[in-house]
Amino acid sequence: AQSVTQLDSHVSVSEGTPVLLRCNYSSSYSPSLFWYVQHPNKGLQLLLKYTSAATLVKGINGFEAEFKKSETSFHLTKPSAHMSDAAEYFCVVTSDRGYSTLTFGKGTMLLVSP
Amino acid sequence: ETGVTQSPTHLIKTRGQQVTLRCSSQSGHNTVSWYQQALGQGPQFIFQYYREEENGRGNFPPRFSGLQFPNYSSELNVNALELDDSALYLCASVSGTGSIRSNEQFFGPGTRLTVL
Repeated sequence: AQSVTQLDSHVSVSEGTPVLLRCNYSSSYSPSLFWYVQHPNKGLQLLLKYTSAATLVKGINGFEAEFKKSETSFHLTKPSAHMSDAAEYFCVVTSDRGYSTLTFGKGTMLLVSP
Repeated sequence: ETGVTQSPTHLIKTRGQQVTLRCSSQSGHNTVSWYQQALGQGPQFIFQYYREEENGRGNFPPRFSGLQFPNYSSELNVNALELDDSALYLCASVSGTGSIRSNEQFFGPGTRLTVL
């Protein structure tokens, strides 16, 4: 079975400063990993995905994440936060056993102050 | 916008009632998954349909059931509603063969269900 732990329920940053959202995963299979963002009253949007290609993955809006197998981590980063980045972020793992399901973390709320 | 639509957007029911939620997949997508997102939690997988057959189920009781139609639209039915069923219900579609290891799932905006 797979699981995801998002290490922070809330992260607060100032506009223009770096963002780090932490995620650790557990999987019995070679995992695919994703980060999704959820803005209030909006659907979930895919930021980026790792599927066993390059370990450093670049996504939309300047976000990137690095897959570290030895640390079972997939942390999300952005060099400079923007006010529009304020939202809830979900780290997600999936595995392939004939069908695939997405297992979500509990989410990290990113707060960006001026 | 992902092209995945859900109806209704909001719904209020009382305990013991039954509810049907609907999802229209993105064009060309033959796999649909349903998720329950309780307040302050991440979405939890309910089940997945591929070409009108259920081919995966999470840890939800049988009173949660579904259908997928030939046009790949889908329904989620919940019988004997309980207070804890209050949540945002999300559907997601993907173009795949039942294995969605690398294909993106496109989520709809969700249906907010309140059970009183």
